[in-house]
Amino acid sequence: QKEVEQDPGPLSVPEGAIVSLNCTYSNSAFQYFMWYRQYSRKGPELLMYTYSSGNKEDGRFTAQVDKSSKYISLFIRDSQPSDSATYLCAMSDEEDTGFQKLVFGTGTRLLVSP
Amino acid sequence: GAVVSQHPSWVICKSGTSVKIECRSLDFQATTMFWYRQFPKQSLMLMATSNEGSKATYEQGVEKDKFLINHASLTLSTLTVTIAHPEDSSFYICSARDFRRGDEQYFGPGTRLTVT
Repeated sequence: QKEVEQDPGPLSVPEGAIVSLNCTYSNSAFQYFMWYRQYSRKGPELLMYTYSSGNKEDGRFTAQVDKSSKYISLFIRDSQPSDSATYLCAMSDEEDTGFQKLVFGTGTRLLVSP
Repeated sequence: GAVVSQHPSWVICKSGTSVKIECRSLDFQATTMFWYRQFPKQSLMLMATSNEGSKATYEQGVEKDKFLINHASLTLSTLTVTIAHPEDSSFYICSARDFRRGDEQYFGPGTRLTVT
């Protein structure tokens, strides 16, 4: 079993839709949870990160962590064609205070059509 | 700011030869650089971590004599795949961090290596 599972997609939605991207994980020691966005031929860029459980909102993006279910989500409201990219979740444990040992999901490819 | 480049973006080499991949931080000093590998349909896997001027720390299962990492300056790290084999064909991506700016890693665009 992989430490982090993520549906590779692609996930196709129309412009304006609410998008839900998810990851599940098996290591209960994970405390830091990140979402990266990767455009074609570019490196991943950090979108949001959360510590432990709860929600975090930044503009159209909301990150949600449910540690009891070992499940994290990224919601994108009013999705735009410019949101089309691959979204990767990443995690690290309490000991990794410098985020040096990130464990990534495979990434979900999102396509937002005009 | 915080731009990381990689060169080359794509390389093909013959089995048995060595290939070097460069990772540069263009507008900041990278106190730490990380090298990842991604096989098709798999996740990014950390190979090694290097601090400027120090030997790299390799993750379990990564052969340090095969994947030579040099981080001789605050803006450049190189990964050399020695005696490459077809199973080394993968996507190699680096990231860089300046601890004075925080914990975020800034990723390069990656290098596609194909060994024939």
